[in-house]
Amino acid sequence: QKEVEQNSGPLSVPEGAIASLNCTYSDRVSQSFFWYRQYSGKSPELIMSIYSNGDKEDGRFTAQLNKASQYVSLLIRDSQPSDSATYLCAVNPLSGTYKYIFGTGTRLKVLA
Amino acid sequence: SAVISQKPSRDICQRGTSLTIQCQVDSQVTMMFWYRQQPGQSLTLIATANQGSEATYESGFVIDKFPISRPNLTFSTLTVSNMSPEDSSIYLCSVEGLGGGAAKETQYFGPGTRLLVL
Repeated sequence: QKEVEQNSGPLSVPEGAIASLNCTYSDRVSQSFFWYRQYSGKSPELIMSIYSNGDKEDGRFTAQLNKASQYVSLLIRDSQPSDSATYLCAVNPLSGTYKYIFGTGTRLKVLA
Repeated sequence: SAVISQKPSRDICQRGTSLTIQCQVDSQVTMMFWYRQQPGQSLTLIATANQGSEATYESGFVIDKFPISRPNLTFSTLTVSNMSPEDSSIYLCSVEGLGGGAAKETQYFGPGTRLLVL
């Protein structure tokens, strides 16, 4: 059974701080990794994708991938109250397909 | 990314009835997907819908319960048949990321259909 694990939270951080969201996955051969943000009552919105070990930065967001340890993380710098949402980690275990496995999401609360 | 719309945005239905959800994309896409997100849960893939072929269903989902149509490259429907309260959920369509710099194997989601079955 392929699994993607996330801490459900809520993770509370003060405004301006760095929020760190973590995700582990069970299928060692997984190739593609994605972070989605989902506001309450809305659909998931793609934030970042990452495919290679290391860091990938996009604005205030940094995705980190460590395939040896089977984890992927998302850092949000200078957190804002508008970042308060559920963050979903998705793993595509089979390159060339779109068969995502989603984690249950981490609820982030940024306190003003 | 593509602009994706879904209709209806929400509905309240009686058990035993069926509801057809429409998904429209503003550009042609090969692959479309239907997901279910039950209250407080993550997303579960129901099926993959490619134009010109039968939908491919995931384990636990069957065509009789969730028939899917994909008549062209911009449109798909999902029907939830013979509904029960357990079908109350958010139903989402998604499409593959398109060119123009879209990351490979990415998916973009429509706004979702919120279904409550009484």
